Amino acid sequence: KQEVTQIPAALSVPEGENLVLNCSLTDSAIYNLQWFRQDPGKGLTSLLLIQSSQREQTSGRLNASLDKSSGRSTLYIAASQPGDSATYLCAVNTGGFKTIFGAGTRLFVKA
Amino acid sequence: EPEVTQTPSHQVTQMGQEVILRCVPISNHLYFYWYRQILGQKVEFLVSFYNNEISEKSEIFDDQFSVERPDGSNFTLKIRSTKLEDSAMYFCASSAEGVNTIYFGEGSWLTVV
Repeated sequence: KQEVTQIPAALSVPEGENLVLNCSLTDSAIYNLQWFRQDPGKGLTSLLLIQSSQREQTSGRLNASLDKSSGRSTLYIAASQPGDSATYLCAVNTGGFKTIFGAGTRLFVKA
Repeated sequence: EPEVTQTPSHQVTQMGQEVILRCVPISNHLYFYWYRQILGQKVEFLVSFYNNEISEKSEIFDDQFSVERPDGSNFTLKIRSTKLEDSAMYFCASSAEGVNTIYFGEGSWLTVV
């Protein structure tokens, strides 16, 4: 059974710092992996999608990588800004219609 | 940019009442989903819907729940005889293909009292 673990659960950094959020999977059988952003009381905004055949995807200051052999994904945020403060969710699809979510990393970027 | 819209944004209902949550998926999408997030917990899959039928459902999605696509634009989640533990944020989502980028709505907060 696939489970998704995100470390750390919470992170506070000063503005401008580069940071890495981690996502670990218990099963390396991945169809795709998606990173989302969630603001308090709001919906989920898709940030990046990595297909199982890909190793990374980039969008602006965000870079997501996927290592299937180790069952790990990272989300790299460059030059963090206060507006990046949110919860970041890692979610994996193993080939069916269901996407399995991690508990998220709550990020706070201090001005 | 196209988006998934959900109504109502917040609903308070008495225990035992029926609730219908409504969603308008992105217009050219073919796959529709409902997820829920109990306060402080993970986002959980409830059900997926494709070609006018349920394609997959979780163990949470029991006989209390049903989904419907009553017309070409709306997608609904009905919860019969609500319980206190049904209190959660319910998210509708859609995707162009079954295992592609999933787009979520802003959610409907359901509070059962």
